[in-house]
Amino acid sequence: EIVLTQSPASLSVSPGERATLSCRATQSVTSHLAWYQHKPGQAPRLLIYGASTRATGIPGRFSGSESGTEFTLTISSLQSEDFAVYFCQQYYNWPLTFGGGTKVEIK
Amino acid sequence: QVLLQESGPGLVKPSETLSLTCTVSGGSISPYYWSWMRQPPGKGLEWIGYIFHSGRTNYNPSLKSRVSISVDTYNNQFSLKMNSVTAADTAVYHCARHSSGPDKFDPWGQGTLVTVSS
Repeated sequence: EIVLTQSPASLSVSPGERATLSCRATQSVTSHLAWYQHKPGQAPRLLIYGASTRATGIPGRFSGSESGTEFTLTISSLQSEDFAVYFCQQYYNWPLTFGGGTKVEIK
Repeated sequence: QVLLQESGPGLVKPSETLSLTCTVSGGSISPYYWSWMRQPPGKGLEWIGYIFHSGRTNYNPSLKSRVSISVDTYNNQFSLKMNSVTAADTAVYHCARHSSGPDKFDPWGQGTLVTVSS
């Protein structure tokens, strides 16, 4: 099973600042990695797939990148609606697995 | 816009069977894959398994012995059954759609909390 480790577990950021979230895989998933945003009581929302492709309707301030087994989600200028939990998911191999999540909080 | 809604009992007794249904609106069950995930309190998400619209299934080996997923294409629903539940099965259960076997999930349901307790 591929284990995804997200860091940091939580991040305090001021509105307008940049947030950088990391997701590391225990083995190669090539580019088969997605990022989601999850707010309490709501359905998780797909942000990025293929490591760097924004899903339909996702603002340009969200971007994804990869370097080997390390993946990064960057939110270039945090808006009030961006404070949430973000988690990654690999879809390279069964069973599909998720990272533990990063909570982005208002500083 | 495709919407998914989970439904089922919020409280299940230990050793009994957990049963949940996901209703799909705004779109068809075919030709997609449909998965169940869960998130125990304070922990990360776990993929439980999927069903293809044809009825083909694939389960997480960690849960395979206790889980079954079925589909009702007529009513645009799919269901999860998990037997012999314990407190460790207490979680928010989500359903979601994917377009191929191993794939990203989009959309998701908002989830339903199931508590296992006597």
